Amino acid sequence: SQWGEENLQALSIQEGEDVTMNCSYKTYTTVVHWYRQDSGRGPALIILIRSNEREKRSGRLRATLDTSSQSSSLSITAAQCEDTAVYFCATGAGGYKVVFGSGTRLLVSP
Amino acid sequence: EAAVTQSPRNKVTVTGGNVTLSCRQTNSHNYMYWYRQDTGHGLRLIHYSYGAGNLQIGDVPDGYKATRTTQEDFFLLLELASPSQTSLYFCASSDAGGEGEQYFGPGTRLTVL
Repeated sequence: SQWGEENLQALSIQEGEDVTMNCSYKTYTTVVHWYRQDSGRGPALIILIRSNEREKRSGRLRATLDTSSQSSSLSITAAQCEDTAVYFCATGAGGYKVVFGSGTRLLVSP
Repeated sequence: EAAVTQSPRNKVTVTGGNVTLSCRQTNSHNYMYWYRQDTGHGLRLIHYSYGAGNLQIGDVPDGYKATRTTQEDFFLLLELASPSQTSLYFCASSDAGGEGEQYFGPGTRLTVL
């Protein structure tokens, strides 16, 4: 498997808290994707970070990539209820493929 | 805006049945993918294609065939459906393979009784 952690993880936080989700991968990659999936819908890309970037931000989202430790993280600042979703990390593997991790289910409560 | 559509959205069949899932993208993307999603396993790649007539085997291909008839259309075929193929199926397209964004369709929920 491409990913170090295979089980769907669950996080539950209160609105306004910060949260960080971590992924570790096993093989060389040039890009890490972060997707968000809302209930009943297909995943949608939220951040794509390349191997020459250590950090990338988009609004309240911040992704990091450490190629030396083969790990990536996604942080959400001041989480809102609408951030409730499943978040997936994925790597670009072998040019054509994207390999997905099993995801983190985030629940943000008011 | 990128658009990937799938049909049917829901399908129920019996063991041994024949099922075709359809996907169409209007993004002019070369790459198209079929995934299945099961609780606890994330998205697993079944088959993919980088152009009309091209087919590549994914990570969980057993029991599935695929055909890419045009740049827009990608089909997933289950010729002898089994209960283990009960799942949520997603199609996606991309213009940059693994290096770029994947645009997903809304999914097809398949139940094999």
